[in-house]
Amino acid sequence: GAVVSQHPSRVICKSGTSVKIECRSLDFQATTMFWYRQFPKQSLMLMATSNEGSKATYEQGVEKDKFLINHASLTLSTLTVTSAHPEDSSFYICSARDELAGVTDTQYFGPGTRLTVL
Amino acid sequence: SQKIEQNSEALNIQEGKTATLTCNYTNYSPAYLQWYRQDPGRGPVFLLLIRENEKEKRKERLKVTFDTTLKQSLFHITASQPADSATYLCALDISGGYNKLIFGAGTRLAVHP
Repeated sequence: GAVVSQHPSRVICKSGTSVKIECRSLDFQATTMFWYRQFPKQSLMLMATSNEGSKATYEQGVEKDKFLINHASLTLSTLTVTSAHPEDSSFYICSARDELAGVTDTQYFGPGTRLTVL
Repeated sequence: SQKIEQNSEALNIQEGKTATLTCNYTNYSPAYLQWYRQDPGRGPVFLLLIRENEKEKRKERLKVTFDTTLKQSLFHITASQPADSATYLCALDISGGYNKLIFGAGTRLAVHP
């Protein structure tokens, strides 16, 4: 089956620094990837849709200058949390669609990245 | 705005029984609804998808029903096992089939030996 990886799995950083999270589709090409955030005991909240070769589409209330998304290839999307603050601490999850296989209604999720900002 | 409700209380059942989880939604007509399993500290794993014109879908010990009039989906696990213990999320497509999903907060299932 389709596999999506994320790196790192956990990261702790100081307030004010930037953190980059990678999302890779390992055995398929993904023109579209999604980034979610999940706070404890809450639902996944869609942050943005990442499209290969074009600008990401952000959901209402998500600051695009704070959460920079780059989808430079068909297998890699990155999320950079700039000038991180403790309130950015969360579980960040990406997903990808295997559109080239004609599967447009299923997202394959990565294992998530736990970000802790001190 | 769209709203998805799942029972926030944990569901505790005995091994071998059938677990039934509920997902209710308001203010939308989704093209399809999906169920996922999520273990602690992990990403969701896709289980089943049911479309708006389908009433029921089965996969091994799993069964999903979808009532678009009631705006409700039921998720059943028959012959439950302790390994089925996890949080189960429902998700709605709110983009007319273009796979933009909104998720419920999930229901935690605990299956006891």
